[in-house]
Amino acid sequence: GDSVTQMEGPVTLSEEAFLTINCTYTATGYPSLFWYVQYPGEGLQLLLKATKADDKGSNKGFEATYRKETTSFHLEKGSVQVSDSAVYFCALSGEGFKTIFGAGTRLFVKA
Amino acid sequence: GAVVSQHPSRVICKSGTSVKIECRSLDFQATTMFWYRQFPKQSLMLMATSNEGSKATYEQGVEKDKFLINHASLTLSTLTVTSAHPEDSSFYICSACRDGGMYEQYFGPGTRLTVT
Repeated sequence: GDSVTQMEGPVTLSEEAFLTINCTYTATGYPSLFWYVQYPGEGLQLLLKATKADDKGSNKGFEATYRKETTSFHLEKGSVQVSDSAVYFCALSGEGFKTIFGAGTRLFVKA
Repeated sequence: GAVVSQHPSRVICKSGTSVKIECRSLDFQATTMFWYRQFPKQSLMLMATSNEGSKATYEQGVEKDKFLINHASLTLSTLTVTSAHPEDSSFYICSACRDGGMYEQYFGPGTRLTVT
């Protein structure tokens, strides 16, 4: 079945460092891909999405490109801030609207 | 647009009692809603898919008699945890799909359930 694998955390970075969180997927057909962010004690917020190959999703300085050839959707940000500290979930959604989530990667950004 | 609310945000109940959690799409109609459970520091586990006017579809291993789901209207789905036990303590999150919305889900803020 469909699955999402993302790098294990926690990831600890200093402010203004470059961030990459790897995400790969297995799916039949052509799923949509998402990154969600969860701040402590809160629900999930959509960070960005891409619906077809080579699409680049971007929001708040974060970017991810839908790479069909490598089945990847890595999240990047050029300069992280303390306020970016959260848990990031990679996800895919295909037939039947079911969303499959990765295990989540916790990010800590130090001042 | 596309706001989903949950009520209550936190609830504490005694073992053996039942608790109802509401999930509402505030500014759109949602034919399909989903219920997830999240344990501390873990990912979301899909419990069931709720379709308006029909029975919910439960994921394998989820007890349908324990977690009752009702999707009575296009803007409201409820999850009732019956005869709650401490092991049911968790963070419950709902999401809703806007009709025709390209598989994107909008998530509620979650409900923290603690069973004592």
